Amino acid sequence: KAGVTQTPRYLIKTRGQQVTLSCSPISGHRSVSWYQQTPGQGLQFLFEYFSETQRNKGNFPGRFSGRQFSNSRSEMNVSTLELGDSALYLCASSKNRGMNTEAFFGQGTRLTVV
Amino acid sequence: AQSVSQHNHHVILSEAASLELGCNYSYGGTVNLFWYVQYPGQHLQLLLKYFSGDPLVKGIKGFEAEFIKSKFSFNLRKPSVQWSDTAEYFCAVNGLPANQAGTALIFGKGTTLSVSS
Repeated sequence: KAGVTQTPRYLIKTRGQQVTLSCSPISGHRSVSWYQQTPGQGLQFLFEYFSETQRNKGNFPGRFSGRQFSNSRSEMNVSTLELGDSALYLCASSKNRGMNTEAFFGQGTRLTVV
Repeated sequence: AQSVSQHNHHVILSEAASLELGCNYSYGGTVNLFWYVQYPGQHLQLLLKYFSGDPLVKGIKGFEAEFIKSKFSFNLRKPSVQWSDTAEYFCAVNGLPANQAGTALIFGKGTTLSVSS
């Protein structure tokens, strides 16, 4: 069974640009969540999508957005990149939402903003 | 807001030593608790989880954790560590109130474990 696939694995972007990251969840999983991992702040929840709708959002500015497609694949977008957006972005998929559900993580996309 | 505290930032042990990593969370309601491990260059993997029932849960690779509700704790233990256990360990809680149930995990800052052979 294939795991969570994130593309690309590495990205270098310039300040002010925008970037789109992609996540393919495990087959049959309907919930996709995104996290940002940095040395200073650790792992922080960005948002969760289920049935093509954003269900929850973490404490991030509006420059961070996402969407989910009918096949459960998800993309996240960061506009007007800042140096502080440099991080490992992780995608997690779950079979369903709610309690008693475990999340499976992808390898992540390492974004460097220069 | 919910929070998760991991007390040890960096733990250094010799092979065969016993391990206990502390984790405390702040939410007083029903919780799901998790320990994830991140080996160098690899993705986050689930070590073990607590949903309900027996507060002593066993995970992969000989790890176990005990949920103590009165102490809001979920400490990770292993009786005898190996060099291959060198990794970063994260405690996490399902961080939403029950009426907004979702899959947003609140993570601790992580503990780096270094095991020398």
